[in-house]
This record gives sequence, structure tokens and C-alpha cells, in this order.
Amino acid sequence: DAGVIQSPRHEVTEMGQEVTLRCKPISGHDYLFWYRQTMMRGLELLIYFNNNVPIDDSGMPEDRFSAKMPNASFSTLKIQPSEPRDSAVYFCASSRTSSGETQYFGPGTRLLVL
Amino acid sequence: GQQLNQSPQSMFIQEGEDVSMNCTSSSIFNTWLWYKQDPGEGPVLLIALYKAGELTSNGRLTAQFGITRKDSFLNISASIPSDVGIYFCAGRLYNQGGKLIFGQGTELSVKP
Repeated sequence: DAGVIQSPRHEVTEMGQEVTLRCKPISGHDYLFWYRQTMMRGLELLIYFNNNVPIDDSGMPEDRFSAKMPNASFSTLKIQPSEPRDSAVYFCASSRTSSGETQYFGPGTRLLVL
Repeated sequence: GQQLNQSPQSMFIQEGEDVSMNCTSSSIFNTWLWYKQDPGEGPVLLIALYKAGELTSNGRLTAQFGITRKDSFLNISASIPSDVGIYFCAGRLYNQGGKLIFGQGTELSVKP
């Protein structure tokens, strides 16, 4: 089976531009998670979905960030407008139905906002 | 918010040596996970622990779920150069659904 798929793998943009990150979870996984990783703050959970419904978005930094999951096989994380401090690696992860299941991570999107 | 204290932050060892790292928390967890992250990649699951006192091995790796449910350790025996990377612990609190809390990571360097 394919793992979690993320695109793009790298993104360089200018401050003020809109950025959209995409994720395809592992088939059959009902939980989807968006993380941000930086040297200063480590791995931070931004938001997670269960059966396409956002469950906890308390980690979303501010209104410039939004996430959607229109169906079980696709999710987006959007930053509008982007700022240099948004530069980080963004990971998507998925897990099966039970909350006790482990999470499997995608390869990440490396975002650089100039 | 909840935090996991992972130590040490970094380790420089000789090939063949054993390695030990641990995570502690002030809160009780019902699941402990250990991940490894290689440069340019996402974290990959190494070991999952679900019961207090549980001791689980995966090859040269051994991890334990602390009796108090507030800590976990990971041991790597006879380290090899490909063990290089960043190791993360992660815990799941009771009644927190799928949410994981990650430690700060232990960066391991192995000298051949």
C-alpha cells in the first residue's frame, strides 16, 4: 500500500502569497493530522480530522491558517497570506479508526516564505 | 500545554555502543510511541507501547512503558551508522482521542 502522500515536497513563495499544501492519507484511515515542524518549536499538532470532520484545531496558529477535508482521501492546509515565520516543514499523518492506533507520517512539505 | 521532556537532546557515540534515551511527563499517558526521523523525511514509527510496564523489542531496539504511565525509554543496542537520525517519543493522553504530544527529539550521531 502507498503511504501518506503529500504535495508539493518543496514550496518557495513570497510573503503575502497564498500557499496550499495537499495530503492524501492511507486508504482506510479515518484520522488525518496536520503538523508543523521547526527547530525552535519541534513537532506541533495544528489540526486533526476524524471521518473528514475537524475535531481539534486548537493548534492552528491564527486565522491565516485553514484546513479542509472534503473527502476521505484528500485534505488541504492553506495559509493566506503567508509570512516568513510560516517557514517550516509541514507533515500530514493518518491513522485508523481506533484512537489507540499509531500515526503514519508523510514525507512532508518544506515551505520557505521569503 | 502538555509537554514531554525528552533527554538527552543529542548523543555522539561510537559504532557498537549501546544507546539509551527517555521521556518523562507530569501527566499520565495511555500510549507511548517512539519514532525515528531521517533527514528530509517524515517520522517513521519504531515501537508502540499500550500497557504500563510493557517491554517491547524491534530488532536491536527495546522500549518500555513506565509503570507510573508518566515515562518511557528507548534503548538501542550495538549501534550502527544507519542508526543516525532524530528519535522522538510521543504520548497520548486519556480522553484526547487521536491527539499525540511529541518530545523535543534526541539527535543521534554514530561514529564509525
